[in-house]
Amino acid sequence: QKEVEQDPGPLSVPEGAIVSLNCTYSNSAFQYFMWYRQYSRKGPELLMYTYSSGNKEDGRFTAQVDKSSKYISLFIRDSQPSDSATYLCAMSRGGAQKLVFGQGTRLTINP
Amino acid sequence: DVKVTQSSRYLVKRTGEKVFLECVQDMDHENMFWYRQDPGLGLRLIYFSYDVKMKEKGDIPEGYSVSREKKERFSLILESASTNQTSMYLCASLWWGAPPGELFFGEGSRLTVL
Repeated sequence: QKEVEQDPGPLSVPEGAIVSLNCTYSNSAFQYFMWYRQYSRKGPELLMYTYSSGNKEDGRFTAQVDKSSKYISLFIRDSQPSDSATYLCAMSRGGAQKLVFGQGTRLTINP
Repeated sequence: DVKVTQSSRYLVKRTGEKVFLECVQDMDHENMFWYRQDPGLGLRLIYFSYDVKMKEKGDIPEGYSVSREKKERFSLILESASTNQTSMYLCASLWWGAPPGELFFGEGSRLTVL
């Protein structure tokens, strides 16, 4: 069983829709939770970062961590074609060398 | 803005060739990383370095070596390339005081081994 599971998609939604991206994990020691966005033929860029449980909001993006269920989510409101990318979840129990990535979900927002 | 530059974006090499992948960062970050990215497998850590001349193995170091002679430069070396090393290679850097996930990535080097 992988430590981090992420549905690879692809996921295709119309512009303006609310998008929900999810990851589940098995290691209860994870404390740091990240979402990266990766455009085609580019490197990943950090989108959201959360420590421990709870929600974090940044503009149209909300990251949610539920440690009791070992489940993290990224919500995108009012989705735009420019949000089309692969979204990778990542988590760590401490130390960047211990970062574990999900497989990535490919998202397409259709105008 | 932090810039991580991978000099070779696309490479095609033959089995058995020695391959060098170069990475340079311009923000004086102590930590640098090499990952490979494969469909369905996500990113997997090959090696990382927390200081000049210091290196640590990641999850999949077999078939790879690294060099860090200067703080800003971290090189990945494939001593004898094999077809199963065809992949996207991503370099990243991290400031020592930052949370573990605040990596800055380069644009990637796509290597094909024939």
